[in-house]
Amino acid sequence: SSELTQDPAVSVALGQTVRITCQGDILRSYYATWFQQKPGQTPVLVIYSKNNRPSGIPDRFSGSSSGSTASLTITGAQAEDEADYYCYSRGNSGHHWVFGGGTKLTVL
Amino acid sequence: QVQLVQSGAEVKEPGASVKVSCKASGYSFTSYYVHWVRQAPGQGLEWMGVINPSGTWTSYAQNLQGRVTMTRDTSTSTDYMELSSLRSEDTAMYYCARDISAAETSWWLDPWGQGTLVTVSS
Repeated sequence: SSELTQDPAVSVALGQTVRITCQGDILRSYYATWFQQKPGQTPVLVIYSKNNRPSGIPDRFSGSSSGSTASLTITGAQAEDEADYYCYSRGNSGHHWVFGGGTKLTVL
Repeated sequence: QVQLVQSGAEVKEPGASVKVSCKASGYSFTSYYVHWVRQAPGQGLEWMGVINPSGTWTSYAQNLQGRVTMTRDTSTSTDYMELSSLRSEDTAMYYCARDISAAETSWWLDPWGQGTLVTVSS
């Protein structure tokens, strides 16, 4: 089983708020990083170090963490946010890294 | 600007090897780790391994141990990922990405190379 677990699919109405979660025991020790990937494109960093956004990422994206669960929240989802989202962190051994299985976000 | 540029698409027969390159520019090459990530068609991201700044240490995903080798040439700021004994399941987009970390509690990958499609087919 994967060290990081994500729901395979989530949907949100246009303009509403959605939370995408990532669960794993390693998240009690390390922060999750979040990537967005649109079809046919390279993954893009959206959240790092718990709740930091690279330049160019809209402030409707935010990150949080509680216990073994990390969350990516999109406040006021837009049509262009429809994509796959992956969480990422260091693994249990300390010498490998892992991705969650990914969550497909649909904006209705 | 910080950039990683990968080599072009490859088509290989089962049992062959492939070597993908990743040329860095715009930053101090010998100050950063680089990871390799792959994505099979319609599937999620899979971490493959990492190489340290000097090229003296690597760590690989357990399922690829013995088949993958990551190296770097500091004189040309280029990383390489070689995968041997190719099988159809290795058909995927292969990415390199620069590692950034903070306080040994957070790691992220930025930027990513544009990807190299490797197709394994007879």
